[in-house]
Amino acid sequence: QKEVEQNSGPLSVPEGAIASLNCTYSDRGSQSFFWYRQYSGKSPELIMSIYSNGDKEDGRFTAQLNKASQYVSLLIRDSQPSDSATYLCAVKSNDYKLSFGAGTTVTVRA
Amino acid sequence: KAGVTQTPRYLIKTRGQQVTLSCSPISGHRSVSWYQQTPGQGLQFLFEYFSETQRNKGNFPGRFSGRQFSNSRSEMNVSTLELGDSALYLCASSASSGRNQPQHFGDGTRLSIL
Repeated sequence: QKEVEQNSGPLSVPEGAIASLNCTYSDRGSQSFFWYRQYSGKSPELIMSIYSNGDKEDGRFTAQLNKASQYVSLLIRDSQPSDSATYLCAVKSNDYKLSFGAGTTVTVRA
Repeated sequence: KAGVTQTPRYLIKTRGQQVTLSCSPISGHRSVSWYQQTPGQGLQFLFEYFSETQRNKGNFPGRFSGRQFSNSRSEMNVSTLELGDSALYLCASSASSGRNQPQHFGDGTRLSIL
């Protein structure tokens, strides 16, 4: 079983729609969760971090965390073509290692 | 504030050679982590250094090694290069190795093995 799993995608959404990305993790003791965006040919860029159960909003991005279900998600509201990228879920486990999911590629259709 | 700087950006080597990659973290950051990214395996953790000490290590063979200097700059060395070592090597820094510290990535070094 992989430590961090993401919905495989690719995910194609029309401009202005909501893109929903999901991530599950195996280490129940994990406490820190991050979402990175990676454009093709570029390095990952941190867009959100979340540490407590519930929702955290930052502009058009909302991260949701449910530790009981070992589930974290990212919503992108009012999707723009510039949001087209691969989104990586990262989980820091109790041993402080940061593990990444395989990523979900999002394409926003104009 | 300058970001994470990795050098060189591109490198071509042949099998059996060895290579050293360099990473300068964001000013004030003391933790440096290294990752290998390939299309098939995604982002895989290599190791993390904090205050010149290796704090964590991933599941890579001993050919992969690293070190950190007193100014927090880090180097990664790969010996006896294999074709499968072709990848993007990413360095990330954080203020500390604490649980809630986000990591910020450099642009990476793309290593090609011929």
